[in-house]
Amino acid sequence: GAVVSQHPSRVICKSGTSVKIECRSLDFQATTMFWYRQFPKQSLMLMATSNEGSKATYEQGVEKDKFLINHASLTLSTLTVTSAHPEDSSFYICSARDPWGPYNEQFFGPGTRLTVL
Amino acid sequence: KNQVEQSPQSLIILEGKNCTLQCNYTVSPFSNLRWYKQDTGRGPVSLTIMTFSENTKSNGRYTATLDADTKQSSLHITASQLSDSASYICVVSAPYSGGGADGLTFGKGTHLIIQP
Repeated sequence: GAVVSQHPSRVICKSGTSVKIECRSLDFQATTMFWYRQFPKQSLMLMATSNEGSKATYEQGVEKDKFLINHASLTLSTLTVTSAHPEDSSFYICSARDPWGPYNEQFFGPGTRLTVL
Repeated sequence: KNQVEQSPQSLIILEGKNCTLQCNYTVSPFSNLRWYKQDTGRGPVSLTIMTFSENTKSNGRYTATLDADTKQSSLHITASQLSDSASYICVVSAPYSGGGADGLTFGKGTHLIIQP
């Protein structure tokens, strides 16, 4: 299947700093990528839909000024958590949709564990 | 409201035993149903995808069933191994309409623990 990578896999930062997470589709071009957030023992919650070359679409309750998304190429989307606070600590997972596959399937990255001190 | 309910919430079985996880959904219209395995601290990995016309699909020791009339699916794991310990997530897809969420509704998952 298609491969999606995320970097870094784990990051610890101080409160007030900004953190950038990268999501790459390695063997296919993805016009659409998605960013999810997952708390312990909870399911994935969609934060935003990232469209190549246009603005991201944010889900209700997600602050667009806090979670900046850039989808500058067909293989890369970035999520920047600005002025991070301890409540932003979570597991962030991206996915990329393969538009040429038979099921229009999303392939998930391995996730990034963010800890804000 | 589209919903996906999974049961049980958690399950502990002995290595070598079989188990079946359940998924009931109210998503309509329906495009496909997916089962994912998510290891702790990792992203979900696809096990099976089934469309409306598919009743059964296997992937090694994993066999998924789908009854689109009753809107129920199950995931059967045969001869469980320690490496099967993970969360299993049922995801139902509505036809892609170009909007956000890609038409996916996620279940909360079943947390499976295999004991030696």
